[in-house]
Amino acid sequence: AQSVTQLDSQVPVFEEAPVELRCNYSSSVSVYLFWYVQYPNQGLQLLLKYLSGSTLVKGINGFEAEFNKSQTSFHLRKPSVHISDTAEYFCAVSELYSSASKIIFGSGTRLSIRP
Amino acid sequence: GAVVSQHPSWVICKSGTSVKIECRSLDFQATTMFWYRQFPKQSLMLMATSNEGSKATYEQGVEKDKFLINHASLTLSTLTVTSAHPEDSSFYICSARGTPPNYGYTFGSGTRLTVV
Repeated sequence: AQSVTQLDSQVPVFEEAPVELRCNYSSSVSVYLFWYVQYPNQGLQLLLKYLSGSTLVKGINGFEAEFNKSQTSFHLRKPSVHISDTAEYFCAVSELYSSASKIIFGSGTRLSIRP
Repeated sequence: GAVVSQHPSWVICKSGTSVKIECRSLDFQATTMFWYRQFPKQSLMLMATSNEGSKATYEQGVEKDKFLINHASLTLSTLTVTSAHPEDSSFYICSARGTPPNYGYTFGSGTRLTVV
């Protein structure tokens, strides 16, 4: 079974400052990793995903994440945040594709941007 | 890219009535869809996995007779909350899973259900 731990429930950051949202996962098999963003009263939007290949993954809105297998981490980063980045961010893990695979979410990190 | 449409976006119903929520994959076929429930300021809780043409697989603790799931086609899954009660008020989100090489999970915009 897989599990995901998001170490920070809330991260306050000043506008234009860099940010890192931490995510660690646990699994006995190879996995796919995802970061989603959720704005209030909306569904989830995919920021980026790691399926294979380069461990540095670039996503939308200037976000990127690095897959570190030895540390079982998939931290999300952005060099300069904007007010519009205020949202809830979820890290998620899925086992490799099969008819039974499903996605498991972390508890979420609320990113609040201060002007 | 992959798009999942979920309707309605919000619904208010009286206690004891039933509510149906639709989830459609607009530009791809989804043999598997998922239904989640999200309480305020919490993560998504998987309720059930919906497979086209077969019975849904419910997570432990989810009442299958209360949350009826139908996946009649490769692009449509429905969740019916039967005999709704105020404690069923929540945010419900569906997701459709693509297949390789475009593997991923695309989410609907969610449905805010309020039972009065």
